Amino acid sequence: EAGVTQFPSHSVIEKGQTVTLRCDPISGHDNLYWYRRVMGKEIKFLLHFVKESKQDESGMPNNRFLAERTGGTYSTLKVQPAELEDSGVYFCASSQLQGLTEAFFGQGTRLTVV
Amino acid sequence: AQSVTQLGSHVSVSEGALVLLRCNYSSSVPPYLFWYVQYPNQGLQLLLKYTTGATLVKGINGFEAEFKKSETSFHLTKPSAHMSDAAEYFCAVSDLNDMRFGAGTRLTVKP
Repeated sequence: EAGVTQFPSHSVIEKGQTVTLRCDPISGHDNLYWYRRVMGKEIKFLLHFVKESKQDESGMPNNRFLAERTGGTYSTLKVQPAELEDSGVYFCASSQLQGLTEAFFGQGTRLTVV
Repeated sequence: AQSVTQLGSHVSVSEGALVLLRCNYSSSVPPYLFWYVQYPNQGLQLLLKYTTGATLVKGINGFEAEFKKSETSFHLTKPSAHMSDAAEYFCAVSDLNDMRFGAGTRLTVKP
């Protein structure tokens, strides 16, 4: 069974550009989470989807970040326009059940904004 | 609100020595506690978790952790370190709706 897959694994963009990160959860997992780790700090929650609906987006830093999960399958996280402080590793996780007792994480996307 | 504190951003041990990575948490509800490991260029992998029941939890690769409510701790241990244990380790606490992570501890294993 395929795990959680994230694309791309690395992205380097200039300040002001747009970047879209993608997460393919484990098939059948209704719950999808986005997290971000900025430069050696803790991994912070961004948002949580249940199927195609945003259950909790309290961690989204500002309106330059837009997450979607059309059809309740894969999810995208768009940053537009990117700023230097957006650099970090973006993790996606999925779980079958509501709640985070069994969340599976992807390998992360390392975003560098220069 | 929940939070996690991992004491020591870097820990270095010799091969064969005891590994002890410290984690303290705060939670207003009975917590679910996790340890994740991230090897270079890989994702977060679950090492072990505590939900209910036995407070000593055994995980993969010989790791274990003990939930101590009185100390609000969930320290990770392994009796004998291997070179392959070199990685970054994250402690996390969850109330099922939200998972909070510590800042991570990078473990170095010296030959």
